Amino acid sequence: DQQVKQNSPSLSVQEGRISILNCDYTNSMFDYFLWYKKYPAEGPTFLISISSIKDKNEDGRFTVFLNKSAKHLSLHIVPSQPGDSAVYFCAASVDDYGKLTFGQGTILTVHP
Amino acid sequence: DSGVTQTPKHLITATGQRVTLRCSPRSGDLSVYWYQQSLDQGLQFLIQYYNGEERAKGNILERFSAQQFPDLHSELNLSSLELGDSALYFCASSVRGQGGDNEQFFGPGTRLTVL
Repeated sequence: DQQVKQNSPSLSVQEGRISILNCDYTNSMFDYFLWYKKYPAEGPTFLISISSIKDKNEDGRFTVFLNKSAKHLSLHIVPSQPGDSAVYFCAASVDDYGKLTFGQGTILTVHP
Repeated sequence: DSGVTQTPKHLITATGQRVTLRCSPRSGDLSVYWYQQSLDQGLQFLIQYYNGEERAKGNILERFSAQQFPDLHSELNLSSLELGDSALYFCASSVRGQGGDNEQFFGPGTRLTVL
């Protein structure tokens, strides 16, 4: 039972344009959501998070949107840069527990 | 650099053997998490320790065990290894053991290959 799903295995974007990565979840108990970026042979790097009491959180070029009714979140990267090319994972947790449930990841490629 | 260290970086061993993976959390972090990333399963939560005590368990096999020591470093012990245990094992740490605003910071991982 995959509680966090990233339905797009890959995304290709031109440098300077917007990258939009999507994530859906099924567990209504999730109330904290995170995005991680991962390069090959490295551990995931925390990017941005959002609590379920918010619907938007921004940090520089990264914005995460949360639609609780649709159980959907998205990560917007504007403008996209070649250095953003990596695998992006969304993750979710239940407030009472620390463990993260991860999606399968989306490979983002930003072309110069 | 996340501040989380893991050793060894690579480990090659044979079926039936036992190995120990080590993790040092970021300074000040009390909680340690272990995750397994295999090719077909993605990142899967194994177990969490908070300030020396087990806090949560995921899909961890009985052949696997972990502990967190008084200095807060943690070890993951994998025994009776099988080919299917080959994976990347990540350790993560966070300040608290629960609650929102509790981002986890990941180490570089240990790549285990069982031959």
